[in-house]
Amino acid sequence: DAGITQSPRYKITETGRQVTLMCHQTWSHSYMFWYRQDLGHGLRLIYYSAAADITDKGEVPDGYVVSRSKTENFPLTLESATRSQTSVYFCASSESGTARNYGYTFGSGTRLTVV
Amino acid sequence: AQSVTQLGSHVSVSEGALVLLRCNYSSSVPPYLFWYVQYPNQGLQLLLKYTSAATLVKGINGFEAEFKKSETSFHLTKPSAHMSDAAEYFCAVRDTGRRALTFGSGTRLQVQP
Repeated sequence: DAGITQSPRYKITETGRQVTLMCHQTWSHSYMFWYRQDLGHGLRLIYYSAAADITDKGEVPDGYVVSRSKTENFPLTLESATRSQTSVYFCASSESGTARNYGYTFGSGTRLTVV
Repeated sequence: AQSVTQLGSHVSVSEGALVLLRCNYSSSVPPYLFWYVQYPNQGLQLLLKYTSAATLVKGINGFEAEFKKSETSFHLTKPSAHMSDAAEYFCAVRDTGRRALTFGSGTRLQVQP
């Protein structure tokens, strides 16, 4: 079934390790986004991508790296994990088109714990 | 830049009572506004969205929201709360430049029997 898939669902990693969170969508949506969700902050934008090979920073990009070599994949890498990056991470995609058709679909999230 | 503010991090209502969750926006251009619901350990599900058509927007599960430009508000309502409505609710505005959503801090709705 078409959708947006995040993996892993849960991850525990140690401080200083590199970890990559995966996001895959099957709609060929142009836009993709990474958010982190923390208590009291709602969801904050980490990075976004308007198309393959086009990425840009959001509100909280420090410590994260993204790439988008294919339209359907948008991995998020924590280069050297810190405890402050313990969070729930959501990937989302959005169709392009007229404003009234804008839709944003979210994955189920990855709960990351850095110990 | 666009932003939203959700008033009240926790709201508690009795089953069958009116649900009112408040959201105010800040935007220099006509905004596109969204309400999402998140059940425990799940992702976000779209309840409804306003994209400059009708000011009263009807969504899923009996929820609706009214866009009021004069009050810069987009409050979410439901006439009669159900136990299954207990969840966290997020208001969001679309950033016209980045095409991303900017979220409020969320309101946790508790429904008492």
